[in-house]
Amino acid sequence: DSGVTQTPKHLITATGQRVTLRCSPRSGDLSVYWYQQSLDQGLQFLIQYYNGEERAKGNILERFSAQQFPDLHSELNLSSLELGDSALYFCASGSNYGYTFGSGTRLTVV
Amino acid sequence: AQSVTQPDIHITVSEGASLELRCNYSYGATPYLFWYVQSPGQGLQLLLKYFSGDTLVQGIKGFEAEFKRSQSSFNLRKPSVHWSDAAEYFCAVAPYNTDKLIFGTGTRLQVFP
Repeated sequence: DSGVTQTPKHLITATGQRVTLRCSPRSGDLSVYWYQQSLDQGLQFLIQYYNGEERAKGNILERFSAQQFPDLHSELNLSSLELGDSALYFCASGSNYGYTFGSGTRLTVV
Repeated sequence: AQSVTQPDIHITVSEGASLELRCNYSYGATPYLFWYVQSPGQGLQLLLKYFSGDTLVQGIKGFEAEFKRSQSSFNLRKPSVHWSDAAEYFCAVAPYNTDKLIFGTGTRLQVFP
């Protein structure tokens, strides 16, 4: 157990739908990072939150959004889903000294 | 352009053989450097990291990596591979003054008995 908890582990949904992925960071970590892993794009940084505030943005689509709550857990919202959004979504917490990843949420859009 | 290159997509070795996985980066300043391992269906586990100082760094599971500034490389090595090392290995960099990681495309390691 890495200490970073992601739910759900698997999600199957239809095109056009909206889903929410949840992440609880390791105890004491203020930063949460979201990454997408797909066969064609590899591991891509999506967004970072630090203590409730957006800190950095990567290749995140406008259909996607995230937030970090006062208890430091984070949610990644994916809307108007397309087949190409099928991927493994990872959350990580820590800092650039080497952060810790959760086990991911596998999203399948059908 | 900033990039991380892992030139080997797939490597196969026999158990007990030595291993070297290559990683090259292209950045203006020396970034922080990392190797992560991903087993099937699992998240990414940090093997080792380099920030500064001694260019040979030791990690978990018997892995080490050497930073070579002149070659912009950070290759991962293990003297004797075990069957349990079969996984995908990712090199990553954190560019100067950022927290995000830029990952290479990964190298899939297969180990034969």
